[in-house]
Amino acid sequence: AQSVSQHNHHVILSEAASLELGCNYSYGGTVNLFWYVQYPGQHLQLLLKYFSGDPLVKGIKGFEAEFIKSKFSFNLRKPSVQWSDTAEYFCAVIPSGAGSYQLTFGKGTKLSVIP
Amino acid sequence: GAGVSQSPSNKVTEKGKDVELRCDPISGHTALYWYRQSLGQGLEFLIYFQGNSAPDKSGLPSDRFSAERTGGSVSTLTIQRTQQEDSAVYLCASSLWREIDGRPYEQYFGPGTRLTVT
Repeated sequence: AQSVSQHNHHVILSEAASLELGCNYSYGGTVNLFWYVQYPGQHLQLLLKYFSGDPLVKGIKGFEAEFIKSKFSFNLRKPSVQWSDTAEYFCAVIPSGAGSYQLTFGKGTKLSVIP
Repeated sequence: GAGVSQSPSNKVTEKGKDVELRCDPISGHTALYWYRQSLGQGLEFLIYFQGNSAPDKSGLPSDRFSAERTGGSVSTLTIQRTQQEDSAVYLCASSLWREIDGRPYEQYFGPGTRLTVT
């Protein structure tokens, strides 16, 4: 079965700092990859997704992620964070063509941005 | 347009009681998913419905959990004889379905039902 690892449990940054959150998955075949965000008191929202094609995907609010197949990674980046980016970020995977369509999530990374 | 809605938003119940949680998916979304979010286990898949196909129940943690989807729209998750370890936020999501290759589009989540078993 597939699994997702997010190695950073809690990241604290000052405003304007650059952000990179790590995500690694374990699955031998083709995958669909997602980053979701959960702002305090709000529900999960899709930040960006990768299905196929260009491995560098851009999402909402200035976020981007790069799929590196050889490293089984899908790291999330933002060049300059804002206080409003304080939230919990979840990486998730769905294997392609495996007959199962549920998201497998990582444990999440809590981001705190200090003004 | 309207997103996924869930009710109730909060539910407190006594151990041993049955509870029903409701999900209204986005109109037109044929796929519906239930997950739960708890401190210890993170986000876990429970069950998935797509159209008229048999549901994928592979994530249900025990036979006390069941779900149904009526008319291809609204879904109800039922937990019988609740236990304290059932305390969690139960999330519903829905998505469109790619008929061309039988795969889902991205999933959109509702606000969740926070279940507390005392």
